[in-house]
Amino acid sequence: AQTIHQWPVAEIKAVGSPLSLGCTIKGKSSPNLYWYWQATGGTLQQLFYSITVGQVESVVQLNLSASRPKDDQFILSTEKLLLSHSGFYLCAWSLGGGRDTQYFGPGTRLLVL
Amino acid sequence: GDSVTQTEGPVTVSESESLIINCTYSATSIAYPNLFWYVRYPGEGLQLLLKVITAGQKGSSRGFEATYNKETTSFHLQKASVQESDSAVYYCALGLSGGSNAKLTFGKGTKLSVKS
Repeated sequence: AQTIHQWPVAEIKAVGSPLSLGCTIKGKSSPNLYWYWQATGGTLQQLFYSITVGQVESVVQLNLSASRPKDDQFILSTEKLLLSHSGFYLCAWSLGGGRDTQYFGPGTRLLVL
Repeated sequence: GDSVTQTEGPVTVSESESLIINCTYSATSIAYPNLFWYVRYPGEGLQLLLKVITAGQKGSSRGFEATYNKETTSFHLQKASVQESDSAVYYCALGLSGGSNAKLTFGKGTKLSVKS
């Protein structure tokens, strides 16, 4: 069975500090990977997707970056956090692209002060 | 653009009562999007509740049902008799084909509280 793990579970960070959020998927080879974000009171929106190691596409510009250093790992990061980065970050995977079903991790809650 | 509008929460229902959470969509980039309901239980991640990929068909799971209505561009979620364990946030979503990107467009979510 596939499992998806995100870390950390929650973070409180200062404005201007760096951030790194991680996601690993076990039990599935070469999945498509995604990052989503939901601001408090806002809508879940897709930030990045990746179809293979080393390849990441940006969907929404939020002064964040993403990388896929290994087949089963997806990293979201920034060197300088903004207040507007607060919210809930979700990692997801799918078998392929198109209109494939996506399966989500438990999420990371981020508060920037 | 593509968008999803769903019942604004919070919604409070008594146990064993019926439930309907409305969802309507606008899909300008694709004629026949896949439609999904996801659910997030307290303290857990987002889980797929049900999915329908063909207009006119009905999906069901855990006592919930939703019918893909292309004419009214709706995908309302219904349950005949809710339980306290159904308390969660429910999200309606469109699956839009972006080539290799399986992009989902979500509604804002509807928080459901079921009273015993």
